[in-house]
Amino acid sequence: NAGVTQTPKFQVLKTGQSMTLQCAQDMNHEYMSWYRQDPGMGLRLIHYSVGAGITDQGEVPNGYNVSRSTTEDFPLRLLSAAPSQTSVYFCASSYSGQEETQYFGPGTRLLVL
Amino acid sequence: QQPVQSPQAVILREGEDAVINCSSSKALYSVHWYRQKHGEAPVFLMILLKGGEQKGHEKISASFNEKKQQSSLYLTASQLSYSGTYFCGTEVNSGGSNYKLTFGKGTLLTVNP
Repeated sequence: NAGVTQTPKFQVLKTGQSMTLQCAQDMNHEYMSWYRQDPGMGLRLIHYSVGAGITDQGEVPNGYNVSRSTTEDFPLRLLSAAPSQTSVYFCASSYSGQEETQYFGPGTRLLVL
Repeated sequence: QQPVQSPQAVILREGEDAVINCSSSKALYSVHWYRQKHGEAPVFLMILLKGGEQKGHEKISASFNEKKQQSSLYLTASQLSYSGTYFCGTEVNSGGSNYKLTFGKGTLLTVNP
């Protein structure tokens, strides 16, 4: 099993550009989530999904969009990138969410100029 | 709402002990502990469910006091490999599929020879 994979590993964007961060898992996990990590702020939940076709907002959803058309994939879309979205983004998954170990992907470093 | 971790940072010599605390203003369903090495993804350590249980993982153990909405992570006889940032994640029992794991800002642990 590859576990949780994320692409790209690193990306530079200009303000106003859009892009999609990819996340995939091959463990048949129902629950998937996106976090951003900024210095001194810990991990903040952006969006999460409890299964295909179901998504919900986390703590910091503004400026981001998600969809979950398959169990395996959970892409994160930046609609119009802003310098405040410069961060490290982690995708995570678990079997059902509650009481379950979260498996994190390797992360995507995003720099918005 | 993010749980509060203390201390923010701690420096130890090999063999010394440390305690990291995590507290929440909301009633907790479970507490998760993760460790992150610099430049890497967070890695799961343990989950504690409400009931006041204590869990152990080699020389790392944790307790969960649901009445006080607090958890503590105990690192005994620290090793160089224990260095990293420790995060607690808290789950509020909001019912149904509305599962959210909210992380604290982290505690930076440095173990020196």
